Amino acid sequence: DTGVSQNPRHKITKRGQNVTFRCDPISEHNRLYWYRQTLGQGPEFLTYFQNEAQLEKSRLLSDRFSAERPKGSFSTLEIQRTEQGDSAMYLCASSLGASGGTDTQYFGPGTRLTVL
Amino acid sequence: GQQLNQSPQSMFIQEGEDVSMNCTSSSIFNTWLWYKQDPGEGPVLLIALYKAGELTSNGRLTAQFGITRKDSFLNISASIPSDVGIYFCAGPPKTSYDKVIFGPGTSLSVIP
Repeated sequence: DTGVSQNPRHKITKRGQNVTFRCDPISEHNRLYWYRQTLGQGPEFLTYFQNEAQLEKSRLLSDRFSAERPKGSFSTLEIQRTEQGDSAMYLCASSLGASGGTDTQYFGPGTRLTVL
Repeated sequence: GQQLNQSPQSMFIQEGEDVSMNCTSSSIFNTWLWYKQDPGEGPVLLIALYKAGELTSNGRLTAQFGITRKDSFLNISASIPSDVGIYFCAGPPKTSYDKVIFGPGTSLSVIP
């Protein structure tokens, strides 16, 4: 399978615990994006990487959130001291990085986080 | 900030019927994207539109880029049960081609 993969698919944790999610993009895709989606809403942009550089972060990404893409391939999203409001689907997407607004993002299946 | 609105919020239709849904924005978009999301999965790109007035088809799906650049329409002809899901319009805001903002979605239910 050459699509975007995410692990784990589901994560249940207690409030205050730290969690880490992993995303493996489509090989040779330079860009990698993280989104958060809550029930009844569309995905909301969190951050994105061009290779290993993190180029933009949303205001939604509080200090408890950190994302890395150390070798420009897979990425991790860590949430520290989880809160119930962090419960959501966390989606990863990747793209080639074409310019001019024609870049197509391909999404993974998401990681559903439930904070008890 | 920029925001996309979609209507209707939800639809219940009989199998075989045609479906229309639309997306509007208060600001201009240079690209419109339509995604479909099945329960428990990530969104899948259906159609991408890059030019005002453009009409593009993908099988039974047809989408149009509005002339004002502030709206887009998606039509599904002869609906089938597997069309069930949530349809999102999306696009990169003019201020940043690097991220995509999504509308709230239209939920489609098809009654066999």
